[in-house]
Amino acid sequence: GAGVSQTPSNKVTEKGKYVELRCDPISGHTALYWYRQSLGQGPEFLIYFQGTGAADDSGLPNDRFFAVRPEGSVSTLKIQRTERGDSAVYLCASSQIIAGGSYNEQFFGPGTRLTVL
Amino acid sequence: AQKITQTQPGMFVQEKEAVTLDCTYDTSDQSYGLFWYKQPSSGEMIFLIYQGSYDEQNATEGRYSLNFQKARKSANLVISASQLGDSAMYFCAMREGEYTGNQFYFGTGTSLTVIP
Repeated sequence: GAGVSQTPSNKVTEKGKYVELRCDPISGHTALYWYRQSLGQGPEFLIYFQGTGAADDSGLPNDRFFAVRPEGSVSTLKIQRTERGDSAVYLCASSQIIAGGSYNEQFFGPGTRLTVL
Repeated sequence: AQKITQTQPGMFVQEKEAVTLDCTYDTSDQSYGLFWYKQPSSGEMIFLIYQGSYDEQNATEGRYSLNFQKARKSANLVISASQLGDSAMYFCAMREGEYTGNQFYFGTGTSLTVIP
């Protein structure tokens, strides 16, 4: 079956511009996560959706970052007034939360590499 | 304090040998889960193995096993009979709390190179 997909795979933008990154989770997965991975680092949590609502957005670094998941499936991460420090790989993951499930692993997409010039 | 610490930035192993990748964690929760992911150069994170905090047996999945030492808060990954395709970054991750939908905390990773 299809895995998590992310578009675009690469995005180059100029400082100050607005960007949108899209994530299409595995069908039926109710939980969706965004992580950011800087060079040489592990993924860092940004935001988590359960269904349409953001269950935890504590990882968003500032108010320039925003994410939506209006129909409980596809999610869009939006970054306003991009800065050079926003350059990273943005990873999306999804999970099927099963009540009583032992671990409910997260399935990751290939990521979007964002470069801010 | 870091929730996940991986102290080996890079490791080398001879093909067909076993290798241990270290991971220590920090949490005050009684319930938590520990995960290992592999990230090849293509960038995608591939789930390898899981260990629950209440699991008494060490987890095993094929050539992967997790050496879980709860008192020492360590969750080392052991890869047996290394193959060239095992060359990749390896990340240890933890999910805290009872709820299995909580976010993951990742370490900084270990780059494994398998030498022919």
